[in-house]
Amino acid sequence: AQSVAQPEDQVNVAEGNPLTVKCTYSVSGNPYLFWYVQYPNRGLQFLLKYITGDNLVKGSYGFEAEFNKSQTSFHLKKPSALVSDSALYFCAVRDVAAGNKLTFGGGTRVLVKP
Amino acid sequence: KAGVTQTPRYLIKTRGQQVTLSCSPISGHRSVSWYQQTPGQGLQFLFEYFSETQRNKGNFPGRFSGRQFSNSRSEMNVSTLELGDSALYLCASSGGQGEQKLFFGSGTQLSVL
Repeated sequence: AQSVAQPEDQVNVAEGNPLTVKCTYSVSGNPYLFWYVQYPNRGLQFLLKYITGDNLVKGSYGFEAEFNKSQTSFHLKKPSALVSDSALYFCAVRDVAAGNKLTFGGGTRVLVKP
Repeated sequence: KAGVTQTPRYLIKTRGQQVTLSCSPISGHRSVSWYQQTPGQGLQFLFEYFSETQRNKGNFPGRFSGRQFSNSRSEMNVSTLELGDSALYLCASSGGQGEQKLFFGSGTQLSVL
């Protein structure tokens, strides 16, 4: 069975500082990995995905993520955080053999302070 | 293109009642999946439909059911509501399978009293 862990419930960072949101995963085969962001009272918005190829994936709003197969990690990063980045971030994994079923991590709340 | 539309936005029901939630996917998308979001359990997969056929199902009791119509619109139904069914129900659509990203609606917030 596939699983995703986001070890931090909340990350606090000052505006302009680097932001990192951690994610580790477990899946039997090759993973499809995703990051989504959720703003208050909204659904999830896609940020980026890793399917294959370059381990560094660039996504929306200046976010990027690094796939590390040996550590089974897919951490989300942004070089310079904005107050508007404050939101709930979800890492997700899709088992290639399981259609469109996504398994999500518990979410990490990011608070960027001015 | 219009995004994924979920109706209603809010619902208040009492225990024992049943409820039907609706989801209209992005035009041309044939896959619709449903997720339940709660503070305690996070985001959990309910089921996925593709071309009117259920393709995957999560670990929810039989009170939770769904269907997809020929125009790809989907409904989910919860019968005999329980207090624990209070949650944000999210629908997502996709143009295909595998590596395709999901597009989520804003959800239906269900409160069971």
